Amino acid sequence: EVQLLESGGNLVQPGGSLRLSCAASGFTFSIYGMSWVRQAPGKGLEWVSSISGGGVSTYYADSVKGRFTISRDNSKSTLYLQMNSLRAEDTAVFYCAKYSTESTSHYFDSWGQGTLVTVSS
Amino acid sequence: SYEMTQPLSVSVALGQTARITCGGNNIGSKNVHWYQQKPGQAPVLVIYRNSNRPSGIPERFSGSSSGNTATLSISRAQAGDEADYYCQVWDSSTVFGGGTKLTVL
Repeated sequence: EVQLLESGGNLVQPGGSLRLSCAASGFTFSIYGMSWVRQAPGKGLEWVSSISGGGVSTYYADSVKGRFTISRDNSKSTLYLQMNSLRAEDTAVFYCAKYSTESTSHYFDSWGQGTLVTVSS
Repeated sequence: SYEMTQPLSVSVALGQTARITCGGNNIGSKNVHWYQQKPGQAPVLVIYRNSNRPSGIPERFSGSSSGNTATLSISRAQAGDEADYYCQVWDSSTVFGGGTKLTVL
C-alpha cells in the first residue's frame, strides 16, 4: 500500500524559512515523479513544484520560483520542499503527491494527508 | 499559462446524474484527470486520461472530453458523492481547474 507522510508544517513569520518532508513507502520511490500541491484555506488546489523520479528535472510554479526548492533523497524514499522568504499568501495545507510515472506530465495516483504551513507574525 | 474553468457549484437530485464541466482551449487534445476531495481529506483520483477509472472507483463515475470541454459524470448520485471536484491537465506544467462543489439534494 502506498503511503505518503508529510511533516514539517508549522507557524512561521513572514520572511522565514521552513523545510517540508514527505516520507514515502509501499512503492519503488526512485522511479516515480513527485510533487507538492498546496491548498490555501477555503481555496482550490494549486500545483507548487514537481521533480522527476531521478531528480534531474525540477519544475516550479511562478508564484514560488526562486523561493522554494524541491529535492528528493531516493536512498531514504523522501521528498523535500525547502521554502524561503515565506509570505502570508503561502499559508496553506501542503500535500505530497505521487505521479503515475517517472515523469511529471501525468496524473497523481496517490496523495499524502497534508501538512499545514501558516505564515503570520 | 493554460487555464481551465469549472463551475463553482453543481447541484443534483439524489439518484440523478451530475455533470461537472471543465473548459479549456482545445482541452479535447489533452489528457484530463479528475479528483474528488471531501472536507478535511486529501484529494482522490476518480478519473484518469479522460475516461479511465482507477480500481475501487464505482462505475457510476465516468468522464469524457471533446473540443473545449471535458465532463465528469456521476450517475445515480448519492449523498456520499458530495465533495469538491477538480480537473487537472499537463500543459508544460501541472494545472488544476478551480474546483466545483457538488451538492446532492
